[in-house]
Amino acid sequence: AQSVTQLDSHVSVSEGTPVLLRCNYSSSYSPSLFWYVQHPNKGLQLLLKYTSAATLVKGINGFEAEFKKSETSFHLTKPSAHMSDAAEYFCVVSDTTSNTGKLIFGQGTTLQVKP
Amino acid sequence: KAGVTQTPRYLIKTRGQQVTLSCSPISGHRSVSWYQQTPGQGLQFLFEYFSETQRNKGNFPGRFSGRQFSNSRSEMNVSTLELGDSALYLCASSLVLSGTYEQYFGPGTRLTVT
Repeated sequence: AQSVTQLDSHVSVSEGTPVLLRCNYSSSYSPSLFWYVQHPNKGLQLLLKYTSAATLVKGINGFEAEFKKSETSFHLTKPSAHMSDAAEYFCVVSDTTSNTGKLIFGQGTTLQVKP
Repeated sequence: KAGVTQTPRYLIKTRGQQVTLSCSPISGHRSVSWYQQTPGQGLQFLFEYFSETQRNKGNFPGRFSGRQFSNSRSEMNVSTLELGDSALYLCASSLVLSGTYEQYFGPGTRLTVT
């Protein structure tokens, strides 16, 4: 079985400071991992994905994430937060070994960016 | 290339009614999945379709059903609506049915059941 745990339900940072959103995963197989962002009243936008290539994955808008198998983690970072980064972020896992695209979502982390 | 479109964007229904939601995937995408998003349960997988066949189903009652057409467009139907069905319903499309391919989400349909 696969699962995702986002360790913080709410993170608050000041504009211009680093962002760290933490995610741990559990998977019996080699997983694909994704980070999605959801702005208020909008759908989900893919930030980045890991699919067993490079462990450091770069995404859009300056975000990146590092896959650490030994720690079963896939934390999302950004060097400098911008006001427009305020949104809800979801860590997501999918199974690469079976014939399905089913995504399993974490509970989400709300990122607040203070001026 | 146009993104995933969902219609209608907002819907208000009464308990006991039924509702049909529509999803048009990105051109060329053959896989369509549906998710329910609520404040209490988060994002939960409903079902996925590929080549007009349901390939996988989440843990939802039989009142929730769907289908996919030959042009890959998909509809989901909820019969005998309950208050707890109020949610944002999101559709996602992907090139193929695989966990390694990214999925692209539509803006969602906000369903309110009164």
